[in-house]
Amino acid sequence: RKEVEQDPGPFNVPEGATVAFNCTYSNSASQSFFWYRQDCRKEPKLLMSVYSSGNEDGRFTAQLNRASQYISLLIRDSKLSDSATYLCVVNKRFGNEKLTFGTGTRLTIIP
Amino acid sequence: EPEVTQTPSHQVTQMGQEVILRCVPISNHLYFYWYRQILGQKVEFLVSFYNNEISEKSEIFDDQFSVERPDGSNFTLKIRSTKLEDSAMYFCASSGGVGNTGELFFGEGSRLTVL
Repeated sequence: RKEVEQDPGPFNVPEGATVAFNCTYSNSASQSFFWYRQDCRKEPKLLMSVYSSGNEDGRFTAQLNRASQYISLLIRDSKLSDSATYLCVVNKRFGNEKLTFGTGTRLTIIP
Repeated sequence: EPEVTQTPSHQVTQMGQEVILRCVPISNHLYFYWYRQILGQKVEFLVSFYNNEISEKSEIFDDQFSVERPDGSNFTLKIRSTKLEDSAMYFCASSGGVGNTGELFFGEGSRLTVL
């Protein structure tokens, strides 16, 4: 089983729609969880951390289910600028960030 | 906003040659990393560096790889004898400053092409 597994997509979604990504991770000892965004041939950039209680940042909502080892990202009212690859990222500890990346889910927002 | 800077942005080299990729992490950060991404594949951890020594390395980081922090600002990755399969984007990152949130700050990457 892959350490971090994501549906690679691509997801082609009309502007204004809501889109949801899912991710599962295999290591139950994982401590911290993130969604990163990567534009084509660019570096990954942190989109948001994911907390057990769920967290929201504007149009973005992230959820974590530790029992199911499942992470989700919801994007509401999608915009053309949301087109990117979304990377699910897991870390076994905090403070020395040996991150484990998923392969990413590619999202294209269609005008 | 402070950022991680990397040079060169792109390097083309012949198989068997030595390559040094350079990085300037964010100045108050304590942890430094190299990750790589082969085209079309996921980002993979290579090595982490803390307190002037390697704190962890992956199985990818074999004897042909080395890292160094030669002065107070630069952090380098050396590949001694490049192979075709070393062609990838190499990302430097840093973390662990004041108010550490666990976020990694990545540089824009150095694309290495081995011919």
